[in-house]
Amino acid sequence: GAVVSQHPSWVICKSGTSVKIECRSLDFQATTMFWYRQFPKQSLMLMATSNEGSKATYEQGVEKDKFLINHASLTLSTLTVTSAHPEDSSFYICSARSVDEQYFGPGTRLTVT
Amino acid sequence: GNSVTQMEGPVTLSEEAFLTINCTYTATGYPSLFWYVQYPGEGLQLLLKATKADDKGSNKGFEATYRKETTSFHLEKGSVQVSDSAVYFCALRQIGNTPLVFGKGTRLSVIA
Repeated sequence: GAVVSQHPSWVICKSGTSVKIECRSLDFQATTMFWYRQFPKQSLMLMATSNEGSKATYEQGVEKDKFLINHASLTLSTLTVTSAHPEDSSFYICSARSVDEQYFGPGTRLTVT
Repeated sequence: GNSVTQMEGPVTLSEEAFLTINCTYTATGYPSLFWYVQYPGEGLQLLLKATKADDKGSNKGFEATYRKETTSFHLEKGSVQVSDSAVYFCALRQIGNTPLVFGKGTRLSVIA
């Protein structure tokens, strides 16, 4: 099946710094990618929908200036957490759409100290 | 709006026991329904899906039937194995280029 990769798989950063997470579709082109956030013992919360070549659509309550999303090509979307704070610590998961299926990356564990 | 409610875990079963994880949904129209599985340290994988009422999705011994009259999509397996230990997510998606909406997930632990 289709493969979606994320990098890094885990990252620790200091409060106030920015972190970039990459999401790549390895063997297919994805015009649409989704970014989710998963809290411990909770479901995946959709943060934004990213379409190649256009601005991302953010869900209500998600700060677009804090979570910058760039979908520069059909195989790459990036999420940048700017001025990170400890409350941004979470598991971030990307997903890429292929025809009528959504494929998920393995996730990135972000810890802000 | 669209939402998915699934039974809270964790669920602990002995090997070869019967598994049911309940899932109900709220949605307009006729969404597609999915079960995803997340093994420890891995990303979500599609387990099975159903796209219309009365469809049965099945994979790896797991089954779920799309019941529109009860707005349910319960996951079942007749005999679980230790390797089935994972978190299971029920999800729906409306027609078109829309994202999946997930339930909170149910952690299953199978002990030998």
